[in-house]
Amino acid sequence: AQKVTQAQTEISVVEKEDVTLDCVYETRDTTYYLFWYKQPPSGELVFLIRRNSFDEQNEISGRYSWNFQKSTSSFNFTITASQVVDSAVYFCALTGLNYGGSQGNLIFGKGTKLSVKP
Amino acid sequence: GAGVSQTPSNKVTEKGKYVELRCDPISGHTALYWYRQSLGQGPEFLIYFQGTGAADDSGLPNDRFFAVRPEGSVSTLKIQRTERGDSAVYLCASSTGLAGVGTQYFGPGTRLTVL
Repeated sequence: AQKVTQAQTEISVVEKEDVTLDCVYETRDTTYYLFWYKQPPSGELVFLIRRNSFDEQNEISGRYSWNFQKSTSSFNFTITASQVVDSAVYFCALTGLNYGGSQGNLIFGKGTKLSVKP
Repeated sequence: GAGVSQTPSNKVTEKGKYVELRCDPISGHTALYWYRQSLGQGPEFLIYFQGTGAADDSGLPNDRFFAVRPEGSVSTLKIQRTERGDSAVYLCASSTGLAGVGTQYFGPGTRLTVL
């Protein structure tokens, strides 16, 4: 079965602090994709990043960085120098092409609510 | 370009009524997904369309839920005999390419409240 676990339910930081959001996944698929989405208070899910299972290179985009480690089945997300506008619920998601997720539907974690205080 | 749009943004109905929720995907996207998000939870898959056909409806909770995409673009999610437990935000997403490969882009959702 496919599963995504985001153990941190809520995190609160002060502006300019760095924060890491954890994501651990389970899948039997050999080919799969991992995603992070941001859901601000307005409610719309905003795509942040997609990673395929064959690419373990870390990625950096501005203040955002992602650490993908197949050995620990983790895909963690770090925000450097957090800002108030980063306050949102962040979801990690997984889809596979063989056993799980049928035709590519996303399996989401329960999300981590990040509050950045000024 | 325009993103995924969903109408209505909010829908309040009474228990037992019928509702329709509409999704307009990004132009050219062949894959369309419906998800349901309950308070404090991540979205849960309902149904997936590739073109006009429902390729996977394994997430539909029961036969009161049905969805169509007759021309391969706009989709309508239909719920019969609504129950209070159906209250949630219904999200639509679309993507290009093969299932599982294309990135899914989400609409703003329809908040359904069943009284």
